[in-house]
Amino acid sequence: KAGVTQTPRYLIKTRGQQVTLSCSPISGHRSVSWYQQTPGQGLQFLFEYFSETQRNKGNFPGRFSGRQFSNSRSEMNVSTLELGDSALYLCASRIGRLAGAIQETQYFGPGTRLLVL
Amino acid sequence: QQQVKQSPQSLIVQKGGISIINCAYENTAFDYFPWYQQFPGKGPALLIAIRPDVSEKKEGRFTISFNKSAKQFSLHIMDSQPGDSATYFCAATGLLGGGADGLTFGKGTHLIIQP
Repeated sequence: KAGVTQTPRYLIKTRGQQVTLSCSPISGHRSVSWYQQTPGQGLQFLFEYFSETQRNKGNFPGRFSGRQFSNSRSEMNVSTLELGDSALYLCASRIGRLAGAIQETQYFGPGTRLLVL
Repeated sequence: QQQVKQSPQSLIVQKGGISIINCAYENTAFDYFPWYQQFPGKGPALLIAIRPDVSEKKEGRFTISFNKSAKQFSLHIMDSQPGDSATYFCAATGLLGGGADGLTFGKGTHLIIQP
C-alpha cells in the first residue's frame, strides 16, 4: 500500500498570504490528523477529521482550518500567514475503527515544509 | 502546559550500548503511549506502542517500560546501532473519544550512536 502523501513538499510564502496544503491518506484510512512541527514548540496537534467531520482541534487560532473530502483526502488552510507559521506540517492517517475496535496507530506523511518570509 | 515531559534532550551512546529515553505524563485520561522515530527530512514513524494494561512491551531491540502509578514510561534500545541515530518522540493520547484527541508529543530526544 502507498503511504501517506503530502503536497507540496516545500512552499515559500510571504506574510499576509494564505496557503493550502494537501494530504492523501493511506487507502482505506478514514481518519486524518494534522500536526505542526517547529524547533521551539515541537510537534503540536492541529485538528482531526473523520468521515468529513472535524472531531477535535488543538490550541491554534482560527486562521488554521481544514476539511476532508468524501474520499478521505484532506486539506488544511492557513490564512493571513505570519512569520511564526513557518514549520513542517505533518499529516497522519489511521483506519479509525476496524471490526468495532479503535485502531490507534497513526501513520505520518513526509510533511510540507512551509517558509513564511 | 506541557502534558508530556521527555528527557534527555540529547543522548550519545556507544555502539552496542543501551539507549534509554524517559517520559512522564500528567493527564490520567491518556491510555495509549506510542514512540516515534524521525530521521531528517522524514515524517515520524511508529516504533512501538503500549497500553496501560501491561507494564512492558518488547519488539526486537526496542522495549517500552510503563509505570502507571508514577505516570512514567520509557524506551530502551538494546544493542544500539549507528542506524538508530535519529530523533525519538514519546507521545500519548486518550482513546475514550475514539482517538480524536490527537497525539500529545514530548519535545524529542536527539540520539547519536557513536561507532
